[in-house]
Amino acid sequence: GAGVSQSPSNKVTEKGKDVELRCDPISGHTALYWYRQSLGQGLEFLIYFQGNSAPDKSGLPSDRFSAERTGGSVSTLTIQRTQQEDSAVYLCASSPQRSDEQFFGPGTRLTVL
Amino acid sequence: GNSVTQMEGPVTLSEEAFLTINCTYTATGYPSLFWYVQYPGEGLQLLLKATKADDKGSNKGFEATYRKETTSFHLEKGSVQVSDSAVYFCALIRGGGSNYKLTFGKGTLLTVNP
Repeated sequence: GAGVSQSPSNKVTEKGKDVELRCDPISGHTALYWYRQSLGQGLEFLIYFQGNSAPDKSGLPSDRFSAERTGGSVSTLTIQRTQQEDSAVYLCASSPQRSDEQFFGPGTRLTVL
Repeated sequence: GNSVTQMEGPVTLSEEAFLTINCTYTATGYPSLFWYVQYPGEGLQLLLKATKADDKGSNKGFEATYRKETTSFHLEKGSVQVSDSAVYFCALIRGGGSNYKLTFGKGTLLTVNP
């Protein structure tokens, strides 16, 4: 079956612009995660959605970052007023309910000039 | 807080050599432990896992044993192949609760030469 998909695969933007990154999880998976992979910080948790529960936003680095998940499926990560330090690969993962196995998408490489 | 420390790379080996990548962790409670692999140009994939002390995870010839007394989860393979060239990440999920967010190590780049 189809895996986790993310779009775009690459995004180049100018400092100060807003960007939206999209994640389509595996059908039927109730949990969805966003992570960030950067050279300096490695892989960091950003945000977690589980069903209709309130999301765990504890990993978001600043209030310029936000995410939503519509209809329990597709998720969008929005970064406002991008900064150069936001340059990274943004990874999305999904998992079935009550499972500790996460299935990762290919990532979106964000470059802020 | 939770943290994972793994040996820094890069690691370069010849085909059929023995591989060890060290991983130690700090966590509250009883975490589940994982190794993820990222092949060139691909996304992260779960390689193996162990959920309690003394469990051994294994897959594709790789093994790791959950050692609570040494808080370690070292990855081993007896005979590496060129196709094993990738970045390997050790990770944990804190025990308890329903939020399975992963805490990762920095990753170890493995290059296997023919």
